[in-house]
Amino acid sequence: DGGITQSPKYLFRKEGQNVTLSCEQNLNHDAMYWYRQDPGQGLRLIYYSQIVNDFQKGDIAEGYSVSREKKESFPLTVTSAQKNPTAFYLCASSIGSARQETQYFGPGTRLLVL
Amino acid sequence: AQTVTQSQPEMSVQEAETVTLSCTYDTSESDYYLFWYKQPPSRQMILVIRQEAYKQQNATENRFSVNFQKAAKSFSLKISDSQLGDAAMYFCAYRSALGYGNKLVFGAGTILRVKS
Repeated sequence: DGGITQSPKYLFRKEGQNVTLSCEQNLNHDAMYWYRQDPGQGLRLIYYSQIVNDFQKGDIAEGYSVSREKKESFPLTVTSAQKNPTAFYLCASSIGSARQETQYFGPGTRLLVL
Repeated sequence: AQTVTQSQPEMSVQEAETVTLSCTYDTSESDYYLFWYKQPPSRQMILVIRQEAYKQQNATENRFSVNFQKAAKSFSLKISDSQLGDAAMYFCAYRSALGYGNKLVFGAGTILRVKS
């Protein structure tokens, strides 16, 4: 089946620990995105990548890092510098053509701090 | 910067009835896209409908339709013949058509409850 997968579904982080959230897509999409969702708020963009080996900061990139070594994969690392990481994280991808660029989302990862 | 406002934190509708969710946005651009996404309790974001700003005709997808008023910067979602499965959080989102890889700007969402 074609789609976007995120793992794990739930992730627990200890103080001072870096954790990595996985996002994989087999839709052959060029562009990939990471959003953060907090209660009572809409989604906010953390990072996005338009092409392999290239990525751009979104509105709330501080305390996060990403890589894009393969077209299918766009992992997000939540570093110890992110002081309030508890949130729901959503990965999305799109074909890449601006005129046809509808973003499709994965099932999300819930990150909790111990 | 663009902003999206959903002024209804929560709405209720009786099964089989019609409900309209409101969305307004602010932008200085003339070319953009607007979206409604649905987020059920599973938290999977599902695209409901999409509207291109350069098209005057309102988009429709089965029981879902929009009322796009470009001059008023308004983009409401109408759900007809509401079903229990429509219960979810609904997000309105904006994306610029300029450039490539542009982000979606989301509103805060509206919780829709469907009563049987």
